Amino acid sequence: KAGVTQTPRYLIKTRGQQVTLSCSPISGHRSVSWYQQTPGQGLQFLFEYFSETQRNKGNFPGRFSGRQFSNSRSEMNVSTLELGDSALYLCASSPTGDSYEQYFGPGTRLTVT
Amino acid sequence: GESVGLHLPTLSVQEGDNSIINCAYSNSASDYFIWYKQESGKGPQFIIDIRSNMDKRQGQRVTVLLNKTVKHLSLQIAATQPGDSAVYFCAEICHSTFGDGTTLTVKP
Repeated sequence: KAGVTQTPRYLIKTRGQQVTLSCSPISGHRSVSWYQQTPGQGLQFLFEYFSETQRNKGNFPGRFSGRQFSNSRSEMNVSTLELGDSALYLCASSPTGDSYEQYFGPGTRLTVT
Repeated sequence: GESVGLHLPTLSVQEGDNSIINCAYSNSASDYFIWYKQESGKGPQFIIDIRSNMDKRQGQRVTVLLNKTVKHLSLQIAATQPGDSAVYFCAEICHSTFGDGTTLTVKP
């Protein structure tokens, strides 16, 4: 069974631009969670989608948004990029949404210049 | 707010030695913890979990200890191997709180 895939793997954007990251969960998994990982802050929870509905949300500004499609694939969008948004963005999928069953993708490395 | 932190950002051990990675948490109501391993260029990988009704849980070469009195948990890796070199971090699941990570380097 294929693992969680994320595209693109690397991305360079300029301040003020917007970016969309994509995540394809493991087949059959209905829950997708997004995390931001930085050296100083560690792994921080962004939001979780289950069956196309946002079920949980972390403490991030409204510039960070996401959605999930009927095939469980998910996208996250960051608008008006700031330098501090440079990070590794990780996606994790789960069959039912129980965190302990999460399987992480390799992440998208976003650099904002 | 809730926080989870690791005691040492880096740990270097000799191959074959045992490794101990520590983590402290702030919320006494924390109920469920997971240790993750993250290798370079990869996403975190589940190692072992423990619920608050347990003090100890063992896996293959790994043991997690939970001390609720001092809000501390540790990951012990027996007979550490070069393939164990990675970043390890603990996570408190109920509040989606993660530690920064300890980079474990295993010297052959």
